[in-house]
Amino acid sequence: GQQLNQSPQSMFIQEGEDVSMNCTSSSIFNTWLWYKQEPGEGPVLLIALYKAGELTSNGRLTAQFGITRKDSFLNISASIPSDVGIYFCAGQEMEYGNKLVFGAGTILRVKS
Amino acid sequence: EAQVTQNPRYLITVTGKKLTVTCSQNMNHEYMSWYRQDPGLGLRQIYYSMNVEVTDKGDVPEGYKVSRKEKRNFPLILESPSPNQTSLYFCASRWGEGNEQFFGPGTRLTVL
Repeated sequence: GQQLNQSPQSMFIQEGEDVSMNCTSSSIFNTWLWYKQEPGEGPVLLIALYKAGELTSNGRLTAQFGITRKDSFLNISASIPSDVGIYFCAGQEMEYGNKLVFGAGTILRVKS
Repeated sequence: EAQVTQNPRYLITVTGKKLTVTCSQNMNHEYMSWYRQDPGLGLRQIYYSMNVEVTDKGDVPEGYKVSRKEKRNFPLILESPSPNQTSLYFCASRWGEGNEQFFGPGTRLTVL
C-alpha cells in the first residue's frame, strides 16, 4: 500500500518558534487531513481540507491543500509545550474507494 | 459521549495463542477500520468495513481476521499471533467516505 512522504521525521524546537511540516504523494487526493497523537492516545483530527488550494486555520494551526492535490503542509505558530506529540498527515485517495493513507508522522518536541 | 472504545488496552501474549481485540463505536458510523502503528511506518490499515457483513482487506491483512455482525462492533482476531504482530493497534470509525475518522485509544499488543 502507498504511504505519503512526510517530513521532517522529527523536530526539537524552542518554545515560541514556528513549526512547519509537509506531506507529498505521487497520487492525487480529494481530501487531506492532519492529526495529532499524544502519548497513550489515538490520533485526533486537527484540520480537514477538501478543496485544492484551500487554506484553513484552527487557532495557531494553519494547513493548506496543495494546488496539484499531491501535497499539503501544516504550520504551527508560536509553539507551546502542549504542542508536543506526533503529527500525521493523511490523504484520501479517489481511485481506491476513498481509502485513507497516512504519512509516517512528524515527532515534535518543544523545549521551554 | 461519542467515542470509539477498544479492549484490552494492553495485552501480552505468547506465540500461537488466539486473541481478540474488541472495538465498539456509539456514533452509528458505517465505516470502521483497524490500523497498526509501528515506528517510522505511521498507521497502516489492516482491514476495513463499509457496513454490516461487508469487510475488505487493507494494506497489511496477513495474520488477521475481522467480522462485522453488528454496526457498532468490529473485533480484530489474531488466530495464531506471532512476534511480528507486536504493535500498537487502533480502531477507527467514520460516517461515510468523506468524513472525519475517529480513533479509539489504542491497544498495545506484545507477542512473545
